[in-house]
Amino acid sequence: NAGVTQTPKFQVLKTGQSMTLQCAQDMNHNSMYWYRQDPGMGLRLIYYSASEGTTDKGEVPNGYNVSRLNKREFSLRLESAAPSQTSVYFCASSYGTENGYTFGSGTRLTVV
Amino acid sequence: SQQGEEDPQALSIQEGENATMNCSYKTSINNLQWYRQNSGRGLVHLILIRSNEREKHSGRLRVTLDTSKKSSSLLITASRAADTASYFCATVISGGYQKVTFGTGTKLQVIP
Repeated sequence: NAGVTQTPKFQVLKTGQSMTLQCAQDMNHNSMYWYRQDPGMGLRLIYYSASEGTTDKGEVPNGYNVSRLNKREFSLRLESAAPSQTSVYFCASSYGTENGYTFGSGTRLTVV
Repeated sequence: SQQGEEDPQALSIQEGENATMNCSYKTSINNLQWYRQNSGRGLVHLILIRSNEREKHSGRLRVTLDTSKKSSSLLITASRAADTASYFCATVISGGYQKVTFGTGTKLQVIP
């Protein structure tokens, strides 16, 4: 089915561990995004990639890095996980901000 | 602070009734989007309304936009139990991809 695929769906990390969240879309969208969702905070943009080969910081980039591997794939890396990074992470893609976003089903990350 | 804020935070209605949610924002926008999120899932794009539009319909959904009051409303008519979800508005400001801001959502419960 066409859409945005995120892996893994669940992850528990110990403080200081690293991991990469994977995201792939098959809709030929130019733009891809990583958001985190915390209770009472809404969705906050971590990083985005307007097009293949470019990445930019969003509202809350500290502690994260991203890679736009190709047009389809956009990964999010936590180099040294902290409890404050416990959240639900969503990847999304779009043709741009003039169109709606397509979201993945999310990764629920717990850092202990 | 949030650009878009939904009101009410929670809404409980009987099946068959209409549900109205509101979104207020602070600065001029390019477009405004509404999304639905079922528990534990990603957001699903419902409808987009541009700043030069005042009303849009999609099935049982009606969205209005009042740029003079900086507010939008989402009306779901003849609600169904399957409409139980959280609803988010996202405001898009011209000038960059990072200017898409999600509100904290309205949690709608439709009682069968």
